[in-house]
Amino acid sequence: QVQLQESGPGLMKPSQTLSLTCTVSGGSIIRGGYYWTWIRQHPGKGLEWIGYIYYSGSTYYNPSLKGRIIMSVDTSNNQFSLNLSSVTAADTAVYYCARVRDMIRAFDFWSPGTMVTVSS
Amino acid sequence: DIQMTQSPSSLSTSVGDRVTITCQASQDIRNYLNWYQQKPGKAPKLLIYDASNLETGVPSRFSGSGSATDFTLTISSLQAEDIATYYCQQYDDLPWTFGQGTKVEIK
Repeated sequence: QVQLQESGPGLMKPSQTLSLTCTVSGGSIIRGGYYWTWIRQHPGKGLEWIGYIYYSGSTYYNPSLKGRIIMSVDTSNNQFSLNLSSVTAADTAVYYCARVRDMIRAFDFWSPGTMVTVSS
Repeated sequence: DIQMTQSPSSLSTSVGDRVTITCQASQDIRNYLNWYQQKPGKAPKLLIYDASNLETGVPSRFSGSGSATDFTLTISSLQAEDIATYYCQQYDDLPWTFGQGTKVEIK
């Protein structure tokens, strides 16, 4: 059974860079047929897809985040990461990492989620 | 971006009732639609993929239908454990987008 667990700071100040890491267990991140992705959920709101990375390093970022995103993958540690720069209060959200099954582009395994608060 | 609009935004119903949630896409997305269930404080869970295929382990009271722009998620007989918010998600075009969610509550 694949499991994902994110790690990162819970509290940040405006203008800082948010760095989150997702550790995958129960399956290899380099197994073909899957993308690795980030989704966030603002308090009391719906889901916003941030983007994905493939184990090869190819990426797609949601244009709504206006060039503030960098994703990376660490195949030796079975991890992938999200960097979100110049955070503001609008980036306060629960952040999830998830696996995407390529053929159906569905998020089939999710992390529990981590709350990130941006406040001065 | 493709806009996904769910209706209703919330509903209150009784155990045993049939529940229908609709999802409308702003353009033709073929059958490239998935449904998720999110319980309070938990991560979403995949229920239905490709509009009508039940994910492994999901109870058969859940079903999906539709194509092009109009889709439906049906719970044939609501159980207490189905209290959650339900989201549709399209993957016909990037960026992948979600509906705003439908909250299902018990009367």
